[in-house]
Amino acid sequence: EAAVTQSPRSKVAVTGGKVTLSCHQTNNHDYMYWYRQDTGHGLRLIHYSYVADSTEKGDIPDGYKASRPSQENFSLILELASLSQTAVYFCASSDGTGGGTQYFGPGTRLLVL
Amino acid sequence: LAKTTQPPSMEAYEGQEVNVSCSHTNIATSEYIYWYRQVPHQGPQFIIQGYKDYVVNEVASLFISADRKLSTLSLPWVSLRDAAVYYCIVTLNAGAKLTFGGGTRLTVRP
Repeated sequence: EAAVTQSPRSKVAVTGGKVTLSCHQTNNHDYMYWYRQDTGHGLRLIHYSYVADSTEKGDIPDGYKASRPSQENFSLILELASLSQTAVYFCASSDGTGGGTQYFGPGTRLLVL
Repeated sequence: LAKTTQPPSMEAYEGQEVNVSCSHTNIATSEYIYWYRQVPHQGPQFIIQGYKDYVVNEVASLFISADRKLSTLSLPWVSLRDAAVYYCIVTLNAGAKLTFGGGTRLTVRP
């Protein structure tokens, strides 16, 4: 089964600070995704990438940047963290040809104070 | 992309079969149906996918109506570990993006 890891697993950040969330996958998947989940709600897509050095905007990209320096690594960057960005962030990967079959990491719980 | 409608919650006892329905009345011919589940403090986990008719794997079965507007996820012999939120997602196949709705929260009682 696909292995997707995320770091850190939890983080407390201050408003206005910079936050970087990292994701690593070891299955040669072309596609990687970042989602956020607010308590009691489904996941929403922030950014995704289908090839290294290229990222695409998802449904809620405002306030977030993404970086895909290699096939294995995908980062989510909050340049100026805000209270509204408190959430759980999930990374996922897929091989593209598998369509909607995505493999998710364990999540990063971010608290912005 | 098609929107889905699921019951917000369901309850079952251990050992029962559970059927979770999903309506997707605007599904396009190019779209597939995926089911995921999410237990607390974990990421979603893929369960099963289908395009039409009936699909079965080691975890669940999926029945899709002839007009593809309704699908039903069937979980045989649920245990406490099956307590989770179940998401029905309709999306394109290649290079798909997933849109999660509210899902169905399944409570399993001993």
